[in-house]
Order: sequence, then C-alpha cells, then structure tokens
Amino acid sequence: RKEVEQDPGPFNVPEGATVAFNCTYSNSASQSFFWYRQDCRKEPKLLMSVYSSGNEDGRFTAQLNRASQYISLLIRDSKLSDSATYLCVVSLPLTGGFKTIFGAGTRLFVKA
Amino acid sequence: ETGVTQTPRHLVMGMTNKKSLKCEQHLGHNAMYWYKQSAKKPLELMFVYSLEERVENNSVPSRFSPECPNSSHLFLHLHTLQPEDSALYLCASSQDLAGAYEQYFGPGTRLTVT
Repeated sequence: RKEVEQDPGPFNVPEGATVAFNCTYSNSASQSFFWYRQDCRKEPKLLMSVYSSGNEDGRFTAQLNRASQYISLLIRDSKLSDSATYLCVVSLPLTGGFKTIFGAGTRLFVKA
Repeated sequence: ETGVTQTPRHLVMGMTNKKSLKCEQHLGHNAMYWYKQSAKKPLELMFVYSLEERVENNSVPSRFSPECPNSSHLFLHLHTLQPEDSALYLCASSQDLAGAYEQYFGPGTRLTVT
C-alpha cells in the first residue's frame, strides 16, 4: 500500500462546480497534514494546512479523519484559475526528525 | 531576490559529465531539502539538511552528492548520471525541521541526461 494515496484524476469540472479530493495515508503515527497546489511546470506551493477540527479558507475546506486515516479538500464555486494539480502531504515523526511524504497529486481542470 | 532560487533552470548533460545544481534561500530558514520529481510520480525526498548538517539521505545513489556550505545555500553535485535520472529537481526550505512547517520550493532545475 502506498504511504499517501490520491485519485490521480483528472477531474474535469465546469466553472462554479464544487469538487472534492480525497487522500488516504497508511501510517497512523502521521502528525501533520497539508494540501499543496502545483501549477503546470511550476513548483508546489502550500494551499492550506489541515487541522484536526477541519479548517476553511475562502472557497477551500480541508478535513481530517484520523480514525479512517483520510484527508479531504473541498473546492466550492470553482474558478478557471483553480486548474492545477493538488498534492496531499503528510509528515511523519521519526527519531531525530520527521519524514515528509507527498502524494502523486490529483489533476483538476476547470472549464469555462 | 526573494524566496528560493535555483540555477540553472534547465540542464542537459551527458552520462559522463559532472555538473552542479545550486539552490539559495533568502528566507532565513534553517532547513533545506532536495526533491526529485519524475513524470507521473510523487515528489521523492532525496536529502534533508538542518543547520548545514545532513539529517536524512533517502537511499539516494552516490552519483548524487549534496553539499550545504551554510544555511542559505545548497548544492547537488551530479556525476555519471543515467538517463532515468532525467527529472525536475526541486529545492525547498522551511523555518525548521519540525514537520509542521510549510516548505517553500524553488522553481526547479529540469535535468535531461542524454
């Protein structure tokens, strides 16, 4: 089983649609969770951290379910500019440090 | 310059060449990272440095040799690479090594090994 698993997509949605991405992680000791966004031929950038209580930033809502080892990202009222690859990221504490594991990403295309 | 910069942006090298990738961060961060991103694969963490000390080496072949002369600069020295090493190499930095900190990425070096 992959350490971090995402549906690769692509998701093709019209402008204004609501779209949800899921991510599962295999190690229950994982401690920190993030969603990064990567535009085509660009570097990844942090979209939002994911907190146990869930968190919202404008049109974006992130949820964490530790029992099911599952993270989600909901995008409401999709814009053309939301087209990108969304990376699920998990940090796992290790002796002397931590390990950051990236999912392979989910591609989103928002169409006019 | 702000953020994380990487040079060169593109590199084509033969299997017998020796080249170096350079990364510089202007954020005052203490931790720096090298990642490899191949097509349709997740980012692979290669090396982690904290305060110029290497703290992680993820079973990377010895043909990749990192160097961190100070907390702002990170190099990746390349020699006798293979075609399968062609990929986007990304440098990142974070405030500290704890996993809760955001990582800031440079634009990457797109490497082609011929």
